[in-house]
Amino acid sequence: EIVLTQSPGTLSLSPGERATLSCRASQSVSSSYLAWYQQKPGQAPRLLIYGASSRATGIPDRFSGSGSGTDFTLTISRLEPEDFAVYYCQQYGSSPGFTFGPGTKVDIK
Amino acid sequence: QVTLKESGPVLVKPTETLTLTCTVSGFSLSNARMGVSWIRQPPGKALEWLAHIFSNDEKSYSTSLKSRLTISKDTSKSQVVLTMTNMDPVDTATYYCARAGYGDPLDYWGQGTLVTVSS
Repeated sequence: EIVLTQSPGTLSLSPGERATLSCRASQSVSSSYLAWYQQKPGQAPRLLIYGASSRATGIPDRFSGSGSGTDFTLTISRLEPEDFAVYYCQQYGSSPGFTFGPGTKVDIK
Repeated sequence: QVTLKESGPVLVKPTETLTLTCTVSGFSLSNARMGVSWIRQPPGKALEWLAHIFSNDEKSYSTSLKSRLTISKDTSKSQVVLTMTNMDPVDTATYYCARAGYGDPLDYWGQGTLVTVSS
């Protein structure tokens, strides 16, 4: 079973800055079946990125994903006030099903 | 418009069995390669995937919780049901259902339902 780790645990940045979030898998994620989700307090998660680098419908282009194999990155080019949230990576291509990372909280510095 | 909505008890006692229902609209549970997952999130903690069922009735479960979980669907009612046996206070969480096709991520989520386990 694939285990995902995310770093850092918390990222303290100011609006307008660039955010770089890391997700590492314990074994290769097949066919880049790696997704990123954003979750704000009291809300359900929202799909941002799938297939490691494809933006979901309606997601602004300041969000980008990259990586393959075991190392993946979510980049937010310029943080907007609404981007301060918790971000989870998830793999969905390996048995038994879906696995989430522990999350990275992006908060305001 | 795709929507999913969770329903079930707000409070369950330790050792009881939890039954949650996810009612979907905007897509059919009989659509080829379509499926629904259950995910939970204890207060202040991370997301944890629990189980998934596909339109062909193929099922998968979290390795750590497999012995306590059963997922099923009623296509005619557009519902997916999750049962979890032997509930414990550590199972207190918001439980979400979400849609995913075969080889796809979880693209639509319900609002979640908070279940508290307490005597």
